[in-house]
Amino acid sequence: QKEVEQNSGPLSVPEGAIASLNCTYSDRGSQSFFWYRQYSGKSPELIMFIYSNGDKEDGRFTAQLNKASQYVSLLIRDSQPSDSATYLCAVTPGGGNKLTFGTGTQLKVEL
Amino acid sequence: EPEVTQTPSHQVTQMGQEVILRCVPISNHLYFYWYRQILGQKVEFLVSFYNNEISEKSEIFDDQFSVERPDGSNFTLKIRSTKLEDSAMYFCASSERGPGWGYTFGSGTRLTVV
Repeated sequence: QKEVEQNSGPLSVPEGAIASLNCTYSDRGSQSFFWYRQYSGKSPELIMFIYSNGDKEDGRFTAQLNKASQYVSLLIRDSQPSDSATYLCAVTPGGGNKLTFGTGTQLKVEL
Repeated sequence: EPEVTQTPSHQVTQMGQEVILRCVPISNHLYFYWYRQILGQKVEFLVSFYNNEISEKSEIFDDQFSVERPDGSNFTLKIRSTKLEDSAMYFCASSERGPGWGYTFGSGTRLTVV
C-alpha cells in the first residue's frame, strides 16, 4: 500500500480557474501535512502546511485536511500559467523524523 | 531569504568511485536531511541528522552511504562506491524546528554515474 497517493495528472485548468489537487495517506498517525511545488529540474518549494482538520488559507492557496478520511487537498484560486508545475503532497509519519512524499500531480494552467 | 546551498550542481563519476556531495544548511537550522529523486520518480528520504548524529535513515541508506557535519556549517553525503542506480538528483534540506514544521530544500546535485 502506497503511503502517500496522488493522481499523477496532468491536471489541466484554464487561466483564472480553481485548481483542485488531492492526496490520500495511509498512516493514521501522520501529524503534519505539506504541499510543495516543484518545477521541472528544480527542487521542491514549500507552499504551505496544515496540522488541524479544516481549511487553512494563504493568499491564493487553501489547504484542506480531513484526518478521518485521511485526505488532504490543495486549492489554487485564480490559477496562473506560472502555477504550472508538479505539486507534491508530503506527510510526517507518526513519530518520524522525515517527510514521506507522494509522486506528485502535474498541473498545467492553459491560457 | 536564507538558502540551503549545495555543491556541485552536477557531478559525473565512474561506477565504483567515491563521491562527496556538499551542503551548507541555513545557519540557525538544527535539523538536516538528505533526499534523492531518481528521474521521473518521487522524492525519497535518505537520512535525517540532528545533534551531530543520525536520527533516522531509510533502507536506501546502506553501508555505502555516510553523512558528516565536519564543521559548523557544512553537511556532507558520501557514497563510497557508486553504482549506476545511484544516478539521481540529491537534495539537502534543513529545518529550524524539525520535520513537523516543513523544511527548506537546496537546489540539488545531479549525480550521474557512468
